[in-house]
Amino acid sequence: AQRVTQPEKLLSVFKGAPVELKCNYSYSGSPELFWYVQYSRQRLQLLLRHISRESIKGFTADLNKGETSFHLKKPFAQEEDSAMYYCALRGSGAGSYQLTFGKGTKLSVIP
Amino acid sequence: GAGVSQSPSNKVTEKGKDVELRCDPISGHTALYWYRQSLGQGLEFLIYFQGNSAPDKSGLPSDRFSAERTGGSVSTLTIQRTQQEDSAVYLCASSPGLAFSYNEQFFGPGTRLTVL
Repeated sequence: AQRVTQPEKLLSVFKGAPVELKCNYSYSGSPELFWYVQYSRQRLQLLLRHISRESIKGFTADLNKGETSFHLKKPFAQEEDSAMYYCALRGSGAGSYQLTFGKGTKLSVIP
Repeated sequence: GAGVSQSPSNKVTEKGKDVELRCDPISGHTALYWYRQSLGQGLEFLIYFQGNSAPDKSGLPSDRFSAERTGGSVSTLTIQRTQQEDSAVYLCASSPGLAFSYNEQFFGPGTRLTVL
C-alpha cells in the first residue's frame, strides 16, 4: 500500500524566513512525487514534480529515497505563499494512475 | 480554453436522497479522475476513467456510489441514499493521455456536498 504523511497540519513562518514543508512516503517501488498547492478560493494546482527537478516560485523539493522524503523548501517565504500544500505520490508501472495525497499542510506567512 | 468545470458548486441534500455530481473535463483529455476531500482529511481517490471505461472501481467507498462517463467527455458521480458521512468536497480532475505515462492532472473547483 502507498501512503503519504505530512506531519504538520499548520506551519506559520515570518515573511523572509525559510520554509520547509515535510512529506514522507511509503511505497515499495519507485514512486513519482508531487507537490500541489491550493490558494484561497482557487482550485488545486500542481506546484512541482520531482522528475522535473525544477524550481517553481522559489520552491524546490528533493526526493530522498533513503529517507523516503520529499520535503518542500523555500529560502525566503513571501506572503503570497500562504496556502494549503499537498504532497502526492503516484506509483510506477502500468496501472498506476491515481494520486495518493497527504492530508495537507496549511502554510501561513506572517507579514 | 476552459479548465475542468464541475456542477453544482454547492449541493445541500437531505439524508436518504440521491445526488448527481457532474464533471466536464478539459476538451481532448482522455483520462478523468474523481477524488473526495472530507473535513480534516486529504484527498481520497474514488475512481478513474480512461475514455469511457473505469478499470478500477475499488476506491468507491460503498455500493451507493457509482460513476459513468459518456462520449469520452462528461462524467457523472452518483451517490444514492446519501448519508451524513458523504458530506465532503468532491473534486474532478482530467489529464491528457495514458495513465501510466505521467500527465499532469488538472483539477476542477469541486462540488461541496452537505448532507443534512
